[in-house]
Amino acid sequence: DQQVKQNSPSLSVQEGRISILNCDYTNSMFDYFLWYKKYPAEGPTFLISISSIKDKNEDGRFTVFLNKSAKHLSLHIVPSQPGDSAVYFCAASAIDYGQNFVFGPGTRLSVLP
Amino acid sequence: DADVTQTPRNRITKTGKRIMLECSQTKGHDRMYWYRQDPGLGLRLIYYSFDVKDINKGEISDGYSVSRQAQAKFSLSLESAIPNQTALYFCATSEPDRGLFTGELFFGEGSRLTVL
Repeated sequence: DQQVKQNSPSLSVQEGRISILNCDYTNSMFDYFLWYKKYPAEGPTFLISISSIKDKNEDGRFTVFLNKSAKHLSLHIVPSQPGDSAVYFCAASAIDYGQNFVFGPGTRLSVLP
Repeated sequence: DADVTQTPRNRITKTGKRIMLECSQTKGHDRMYWYRQDPGLGLRLIYYSFDVKDINKGEISDGYSVSRQAQAKFSLSLESAIPNQTALYFCATSEPDRGLFTGELFFGEGSRLTVL
């Protein structure tokens, strides 16, 4: 079973609107979470992270929310831009995993002009 | 030039052949990783190394081996390639964040391997 789930394989949003990408995890030991963005023919690049001691972290147009009781996090992009079109991976980490990350399957975001 | 460089970028091979994917980095990081990406499965960890003398198996190490030749070089080998090893392979590096957890991962551009 996947410990990090991204149940929406794809998402389409109009330019200027909000994009919300969701991620659920099953292991309550996870305490550090990251989002990565991947363009075609490139490696993933780090976008934003959040520690379990916080419930929100903001960086410009990107905000990550963490709901530990629900084991759920979300990435909000406001306003969405066509350049945000990419695959977004959620990743989680815990000491029990040797400080390594477990990745979700990814969500492909398309921002339509 | 990229900070994390993978070679080759694309490779087609036949079942049973030995394949090596190479990774070099100029970031000066001690920690290096090999991941594979498959559609619908995300990125799965094959092997990782926290320094030159440290090699660890990841989630899906069967059928793979690695060598950490230097701080900057980490190679992945498939001793006898099989079709279900067809995937996109990524090398990554990191430095510890806050002295405890792995910080962000810096990925190479990927090596696409096709095993016929």
